[in-house]
Amino acid sequence: ETGVTQSPTHLIKTRGQQVTLRCSSQSGHNTVSWYQQALGQGPQFIFQYYREEENGRGNFPPRFSGLQFPNYSSELNVNALELDDSALYLCASRDRNRDTGELFFGEGSRLTVL
Amino acid sequence: EDQVTQSPEALRLQEGESSSLNCSYTVSGLRGLFWYRQDPGKGPEFLFTLYSAGEEKEKERLKATLTKKESFLHITAPKPEDSATYLCAPRGTDKLIFGTGTRLQVFP
Repeated sequence: ETGVTQSPTHLIKTRGQQVTLRCSSQSGHNTVSWYQQALGQGPQFIFQYYREEENGRGNFPPRFSGLQFPNYSSELNVNALELDDSALYLCASRDRNRDTGELFFGEGSRLTVL
Repeated sequence: EDQVTQSPEALRLQEGESSSLNCSYTVSGLRGLFWYRQDPGKGPEFLFTLYSAGEEKEKERLKATLTKKESFLHITAPKPEDSATYLCAPRGTDKLIFGTGTRLQVFP
């Protein structure tokens, strides 16, 4: 059973650019969530996807968008990057049908915006 | 407004010195409380889920307990490899609400 995998692990962008982060959910998991973790802070909920539709969103602007694909993998897109977008972006997956509650995280993508 | 507060922010322990971490929360529509361990530069690693007041769960040197407003993570006879940041996250409607964590350092 493979866990949650994310790519790339690290990347550097400049202000105003756009970035796409990718996530493969754990085998059998149909729900994917994205979190942003700034240095020294706890993760903050960005949004969640289920059945290829956004199903819950945190307090993030529309320039944060996502996709979920039929194989349950997901992308996080951020447009018009700002310095404050520098953070660790975490993807997490779970099986919504079982609702055991366990949410498993990937190792994250470290984004630096210069 | 949903709020989660973890204390202390940082904790230094001698190997074998037991202690407890606190998580206080106010979350509407609570659907469980999660504890995670996070090593530097890594994603959070799942430890426990608690669903009802009075529930307790144990894993090696860790024991998590839950009341209606707080959760505690008790660490018994910690070892240096227990050094990490411990995150508490009550679950609201389809999202986890994380605290800022307790950074634990255990010295030999």
